[in-house]
Amino acid sequence: GAVVSQHPSRVICKSGTSVKIECRSLDFQATTMFWYRQFPKQSLMLMATSNEGSKATYEQGVEKDKFLINHASLTLSTLTVTSAHPEDSSFYICSAGTGTSGYNEQFFGPGTRLTVL
Amino acid sequence: AQSVAQPEDQVNVAEGNPLTVKCTYSVSGNPYLFWYVQYPNRGLQFLLKYITGDNLVKGSYGFEAEFNKSQTSFHLKKPSALVSDSALYFCAVRDKPGGYQKVTFGTGTKLQVIP
Repeated sequence: GAVVSQHPSRVICKSGTSVKIECRSLDFQATTMFWYRQFPKQSLMLMATSNEGSKATYEQGVEKDKFLINHASLTLSTLTVTSAHPEDSSFYICSAGTGTSGYNEQFFGPGTRLTVL
Repeated sequence: AQSVAQPEDQVNVAEGNPLTVKCTYSVSGNPYLFWYVQYPNRGLQFLLKYITGDNLVKGSYGFEAEFNKSQTSFHLKKPSALVSDSALYFCAVRDKPGGYQKVTFGTGTKLQVIP
């Protein structure tokens, strides 16, 4: 149980285009989903937290107009990188939390490798 | 503010030997501690967590971790390392028990098990 999927697993796009990444909880309802960015050989940087049906909460320094997050249902959250540039190339990972208890661990998707040419 | 430190960028251990991956934390309240493992180009997999109770927590794949409040540590251990344990390990902490579940991750420790 507690499987999180991401699509696509890998995407290459041209500079200036927008890319959408989907995160789905396959066998549970995720009240909260998180989006992380991971640079090579570095830790995960939390970008934003989204709760179903409400606006995402962005971490300091993350441009909300550039990284659009939509959490339309309890099983789907999307991250859209708008007008992507080479510096946006990274490994993006989503995770999902169950319930509102802080005791629950997060379940992570397999990640999406974004390369902007 | 909460923080996690993983002092070792890399740990090398011979197959069959015990392994330890270190983690120390800083929180204002009670800590909720987690260990995750990441294989190349993959997401993170949950290994174990400490919420309350017994200081020795057992998790997946034979891993365990010991919570030490006085030393603010949560070191990951395994009695006998396998080559397949080679991966990147992240310690994480959260100090809010409900609602907003922000987790802070350490910088990761690369574990290399040598055959």
